[in-house]
Amino acid sequence: DQQVKQNSPSLSVQEGRISILNCDYTNSMFDYFLWYKKYPAEGPTFLISISSIKDKNEDGRFTVFLNKSAKHLSLHIVPSQPGDSAVYFCAASAENNDMRFGAGTRLTVKP
Amino acid sequence: DSGVTQTPKHLITATGQRVTLRCSPRSGDLSVYWYQQSLDQGLQFLIHYYNGEERAKGNILERFSAQQFPDLHSELNLSSLELGDSALYFCASSGDFPPEAFFGQGTRLTVV
Repeated sequence: DQQVKQNSPSLSVQEGRISILNCDYTNSMFDYFLWYKKYPAEGPTFLISISSIKDKNEDGRFTVFLNKSAKHLSLHIVPSQPGDSAVYFCAASAENNDMRFGAGTRLTVKP
Repeated sequence: DSGVTQTPKHLITATGQRVTLRCSPRSGDLSVYWYQQSLDQGLQFLIHYYNGEERAKGNILERFSAQQFPDLHSELNLSSLELGDSALYFCASSGDFPPEAFFGQGTRLTVV
């Protein structure tokens, strides 16, 4: 069940630079997209979301972009901070609230 | 604190045994999801319940079953346990809209 894909298992960036995490999906029924952040031994925590009627949503240092035609979304973190180091999961939800997750991308922000 | 409570936090059991994981969703949330995370891998969707009814099944083994009770708490039953079932099991709950799911802290199951 690979309806949501995160093809980069890891990403390393320098503190203060931009982090860009990518996600692709295959199911055109998805109409709501979310990003979660996960620290070791903790449950994922909700970070930011976007509805399919929008192409951008911004919350402080975090911005999510949605390209429906390409079935692609990305999360931008600017500026990146060491505390952002975590695993980031992309998720997609359909009308029946089924939520599927990608495999995650481990972000490391170096001081 | 997400408002989602999972018990127990840790569970160690032997192969062939059966265990029950429990989840109390956030107040008012009708959807409960179960996910499995093995060895720091991705979140594998197991099953989704909505207001007591099964809504969707993912890659859930036949040895596994779940239910959601009238008070909306949910239980995930794992039977005939194998070493490969060792994993973190997460429960999440969400409202109707927006469908942000809130996760519990997980139950770490170790099968020995």
